Amino acid sequence: NAGVTQTPKFRILKIGQSMTLQCTQDMNHNYMYWYRQDPGMGLKLIYYSVGAGITDKGEVPNGYNVSRSTTEDFPLRLELAAPSQTSVYFCASSYGQAYYGYTFGSGTRLTVV
Amino acid sequence: GQQVMQIPQYQHVQEGEDFTTYCNSSTTLSNIQWYKQRPGGHPVFLIQLVKSGEVKKQKRLTFQFGEAKKNSSLHITATQTTDVGTYFCAGDGGATNKLIFGTGTLLAVQP
Repeated sequence: NAGVTQTPKFRILKIGQSMTLQCTQDMNHNYMYWYRQDPGMGLKLIYYSVGAGITDKGEVPNGYNVSRSTTEDFPLRLELAAPSQTSVYFCASSYGQAYYGYTFGSGTRLTVV
Repeated sequence: GQQVMQIPQYQHVQEGEDFTTYCNSSTTLSNIQWYKQRPGGHPVFLIQLVKSGEVKKQKRLTFQFGEAKKNSSLHITATQTTDVGTYFCAGDGGATNKLIFGTGTLLAVQP
């Protein structure tokens, strides 16, 4: 049971480039989330999904896009990368709404130069 | 919008000393969760509290949910070096489908 798997673990992007952060979970969780964590800071919600085909914005969605075509996968797309998007990105999943603990992936450390 | 604040932001203790972090929400919470993040790692779920005034224990860790369901605390008795990390609380106001994470408390333990 792998839990939540994120790839890549590290990435350096140039300003203006685009990339997709991959997230896959094997726990059959309906709810999935993307957070970013800046150095020494808390977790900010970017986007979330309550099931396949359904996504919604979180606190800081600008500059990102998501899709949820299957229960297992929830990729995060960065278009036209900017230095402000330098951060650690965590994907998480949960069985239900906020009454269930979240399982986090190991994160993707992204640097935009 | 809903805000969840934690104090202190940072605490340095000697091994064996006790430690407490406090979590305060701007709105009433339906539940509160606590997570631990080791340096360089990812958040790991510790526990959830749902009832007003609820107290739960996990070995040396004691978690409490306030009577008004707007605050919570985590107390560690006799800290060990393995307790090092950032402790986050996270709450849901009940009208949303997601948790709002607190600002976190970084605990450093000196042997």
